[in-house]
Amino acid sequence: QKEVEQNSGPLSVPEGAIASLNCTYSDRGSQSFFWYRQYSGKSPELIMSIYSNGDKEDGRFTAQLNKASQYVSLLIRDSQPSDSATYLCAGGGYSTLTFGKGTMLLVSP
Amino acid sequence: DAGVTQSPTHLIKTRGQQVTLRCSPKSGHDTVSWYQQALGQGPQFIFQYYEEEERQRGNFPDRFSGHQFPNYSSELNVNALLLGDSALYLCASSWADRGSSYNEQFFGPGTRLTVL
Repeated sequence: QKEVEQNSGPLSVPEGAIASLNCTYSDRGSQSFFWYRQYSGKSPELIMSIYSNGDKEDGRFTAQLNKASQYVSLLIRDSQPSDSATYLCAGGGYSTLTFGKGTMLLVSP
Repeated sequence: DAGVTQSPTHLIKTRGQQVTLRCSPKSGHDTVSWYQQALGQGPQFIFQYYEEEERQRGNFPDRFSGHQFPNYSSELNVNALLLGDSALYLCASSWADRGSSYNEQFFGPGTRLTVL
C-alpha cells in the first residue's frame, strides 16, 4: 500500500526563521512529488513540484528530494505569519497522487 | 485564466440520499481527478477521468461513480449516502502528457458535503 508519512505538528517557528517540513514515502515507483499549502477551510494550493534528486528553489521555497532515502522536504526561508497553514506532501506516478496527512505550520510574529 | 471551478460550495443531505457534484477543469486541462478529504486528513484519491473514461480508481465503493463530458467537465455521484461520506470533495485538473510521469494537479475550491 502506497503511503506518505508526515509529522502532524504543529511546527512552530518565529517570523523570519527557516521552517523545515519533511515527508517520507513508501512507493519506490513514485516519480513526482508535490507540496501543497492548505489554509483552514480552503482547498490545497500547489506550491512546489520536484521530480529529480536534489534541490529545487522557487522564491522563499526550496524542495529537496532524495529517492534513495525516499525522503522529500520543503524549506521555507524568512517565514511569515501568512505562511501559517497545513502543508501537504504528495507523491505520484502517472495519474494518481497519494497525500500525507499534512504538517501544520505556525509562524509567530 | 479561469481556474478549476466546483459546484455547489456546500451541500447538506440525509442518509440514503444521492448527490451529484460538478467540476470544470482549468483552461487547457483535459484530465479531472476527484478526492475526498475528511477533517484532519489528507485528500484521498477517488478516481480520475481522461477522454471521458475512468482511467484509475482508488479504494472507494461502487456507490461513488463519475462521468466526464466532451468539454472535459466532470461529475461525481454518490449514492446511498452514509454519515461517513461527510467530507470536503475536491476536484483537481491536470494535463495528460503521455510521455511524462509528471502530474501537476490543481485543485478547485471544493464542495463541503454534510450527511445528516
